[in-house]
Amino acid sequence: SAVISQKPSRDICQRGTSLTIQCQVDSQVTMMFWYRQQPGQSLTLIATANQGSEATYESGFVIDKFPISRPNLTFSTLTVSNMSPEDSSIYLCSVQDLYEQYFGPGTRLTVT
Amino acid sequence: GDSVTQMEGPVTLSEEAFLTINCTYTATGYPSLFWYVQYPGEGLQLLLKATKADDKGSNKGFEATYRKETTSFHLEKGSVQVSDSAVYFCALSDYNNDMRFGAGTRLTVKP
Repeated sequence: SAVISQKPSRDICQRGTSLTIQCQVDSQVTMMFWYRQQPGQSLTLIATANQGSEATYESGFVIDKFPISRPNLTFSTLTVSNMSPEDSSIYLCSVQDLYEQYFGPGTRLTVT
Repeated sequence: GDSVTQMEGPVTLSEEAFLTINCTYTATGYPSLFWYVQYPGEGLQLLLKATKADDKGSNKGFEATYRKETTSFHLEKGSVQVSDSAVYFCALSDYNNDMRFGAGTRLTVKP
């Protein structure tokens, strides 16, 4: 199994600003994922981040809005840029281990 | 593409009642199936899983059987507790390891 931590756990931000969310894993993993969970909704995959390559974004998500870094096999960051109230969500980091995914505790973002 | 359809909530039960949350899937291959649980204020935790047809996943009194003939993976528990109150997500993972989640079902158990 993998233990994942995220920072910050929650934040309240002003519109137009940016927030970088950190994801740390206790073991080396190839595949890392970033999800968004809007209030009362299911999880939506934002992008897949593999170490050593550019992140792959899902339809509706673009690098300018959600830049991702993956500098090594245990760490990744997601930045939410130029935030608006519609970006208020829980952002979850996830890693793949064989056929199972493990999730971080999430970062609860509120944009005012 | 692959997808998961999950019973709409919210579901409200009394303690010790029987729980069923329906989940059906559409997939071109032979996916692995999962149930995740999200307790209030927390991230997702894997509850149980099944990787092939007729497998039964079980954990904490919850069970789900991978039914290929009906493309279903219904979650059941014989006697729910107040502490089971959470949101439950059905999910599948295909050969590309892409995970698809259902919409989630909120369960509230009253004493």
